[in-house]
Amino acid sequence: RKEVEQDPGPFNVPEGATVAFNCTYSNSASQSFFWYRQDCRKEPKLLMSVYSSGNEDGRFTAQLNRASQYISLLIRDSKLSDSATYLCVVVQGTYKYIFGTGTRLKVLA
Amino acid sequence: DGGITQSPKYLFRKEGQNVTLSCEQNLNHDAMYWYRQDPGQGLRLIYYSQIVNDFQKGDIAEGYSVSREKKESFPLTVTSAQKNPTAFYLCASGEVVNQPQHFGDGTRLSIL
Repeated sequence: RKEVEQDPGPFNVPEGATVAFNCTYSNSASQSFFWYRQDCRKEPKLLMSVYSSGNEDGRFTAQLNRASQYISLLIRDSKLSDSATYLCVVVQGTYKYIFGTGTRLKVLA
Repeated sequence: DGGITQSPKYLFRKEGQNVTLSCEQNLNHDAMYWYRQDPGQGLRLIYYSQIVNDFQKGDIAEGYSVSREKKESFPLTVTSAQKNPTAFYLCASGEVVNQPQHFGDGTRLSIL
């Protein structure tokens, strides 16, 4: 089993739709979690951290389910500009940042 | 502005040649990292450094070398021993453990 798994997609959704991605992790000792956005041929950029209580930033909501070992990202009212690949990151220990392979989102006009 | 600068943006390597990728940060971060990204794959850790004059191998260190003589700088050398160097190389830095990493805009390395 991979340490971090994401559905590669692509998720093709119309503008204004709500879309959710999950990311599962195998090590229950994982300590921190993040979502990054990566545009084609660009570097990953931090979208948001994921807190145990769940957190929201505008149209984006991140949640952590430790019991089932997954994190999720919900995007409401999708915009064309949200089209990108979304990477989840799981942190173990002091340096081990494990990146998922990403989920591709295409928002269609 | 604070950030991480990688250079060059594009690099071509000849057979048997060593090449060095530059990474400089002015965020005052202690930790710095080098990743490799291949199409359809996640980022894989090459080397990391948590403090000046100290660095550790990551998951795919063979064929690469690094140095950390200054807090701001963490250059990566791709040696001739790395037989498949074509990839997108990303440098990152971070403050302390469990905090998010911040990335430079990457270097694309290809073989001539």
